[in-house]
Parts: sequence; C-alpha cells; structure tokens
Amino acid sequence: AQSVTQLGSHVSVSEGALVLLRCNYSSSVPPYLFWYVQYPNQGLQLLLKYTSAATLVKGINGFEAEFKKSETSFHLTKPSAHMSDAAEYFCAVSLGNTPLVFGKGTRLSVIA
Amino acid sequence: DVKVTQSSRYLVKRTGEKVFLECVQDMDHENMFWYRQDPGLGLRLIYFSYDVKMKEKGDIPEGYSVSREKKERFSLILESASTNQTSMYLCASRPTSGSTGELFFGEGSRLTVL
Repeated sequence: AQSVTQLGSHVSVSEGALVLLRCNYSSSVPPYLFWYVQYPNQGLQLLLKYTSAATLVKGINGFEAEFKKSETSFHLTKPSAHMSDAAEYFCAVSLGNTPLVFGKGTRLSVIA
Repeated sequence: DVKVTQSSRYLVKRTGEKVFLECVQDMDHENMFWYRQDPGLGLRLIYFSYDVKMKEKGDIPEGYSVSREKKERFSLILESASTNQTSMYLCASRPTSGSTGELFFGEGSRLTVL
C-alpha cells in the first residue's frame, strides 16, 4: 500500500523567501505523485504531477517539485514566496488505477 | 474544463437526520470518489466507484453509503447523521483510460451536524 508523509503541518515564510514543502512517499512500485493546493473554502486544485517522465516537474504559479527515487521524496519548492501563496498544500500518491492517497497537508503562511 | 459540481456548499443538519450530498461531473469520467477532510488528518477516502452501479469501500466507510445510478452522478448518504460527521466533504472524478490517477475536485460541501 502507498502512503505519504508531509513533514511540518505548518510552514511560515517571509514574502520573497524560498518556499520548501516536504513530502516523502512509500510505494512498492514506481508511483505517480501529485501536489494539490487548497485555498480557503475551496476544493483542491492540481499544482503539478510526476508521471515518470522528467524528474523535475514544473507546475502553476512558479512551483516546481523534484522526484528523487533514492530518497523517496517529492519536495515542493518556489524560489520567491508571494502573499497569494498562503494556502494548504497536499502531497498525494497513486499507482494510476488506485485511489489517491493524501498526506495530512501543510499550511503555508506568508509574512509580509 | 472538467467541472465537478457539489450541490450544497454549506449544510446544517440535526443529529439523526438523513443527509444526501450530491456530486455531478460533466466530463464522462468513469471513476468518482468521496473524501472527507478534517484539520490535521488530511483527506480520507470514504467510498469510490469505478463505474455505474459499482461501489467500493474506502478507508472510513462506517456511517456512510453511496449511490451511483448514473455515470455523471455520485451521491453520498449519511443514514443517521452524528456530530462526529461534521466535516468538509470533497467529491472528485477522473477518467479510467490513460489515467495517471489525477483527480478533479468539486468545491466541497461543509456539513455541520448539531
């Protein structure tokens, strides 16, 4: 069975600083990996996904993530945080034909 | 664009009431899912359906049932609502063919049980 661990339930950064949200996964076979974002009182929106092509994946709003098989990680980064990035972020794993398994989420706060 | 519509954004119900949460998608997706979201617990899978009239239990099915009579509609039913079912409920869909597993979500239904 797959599982996802997101390190840090709350991350706070200054505006303009690097954003780093950590995600480690467990899977017996190469998985598909996802990052979703949720703004207050909204559903989840896909930021980016890894589907076994390039290991560095670029997403919307300047976010990117790198798949590292040796570390079983898929950390999300953005070089410069903006106030509008404040939201909750979820990492998820799937084998394609299985339901997505989500991490517990990381709330990102951006301080002016 | 894929659109997943959840009929009620906010509901307030009383303990013991029967509750229906409706979800409709317009992209002819075979797979549909119901998740529950609680602070600190992330998203937990309640039920899913791979096709019409099919249903599978997820990780936390107790106290819930589902109905999938038409391909585009997937309903979540709380037979007798309890206060511990106060939560945000998220519906999602995806196609079967060529799927990487990516889900398309509705806006969510926030249920309060008094």
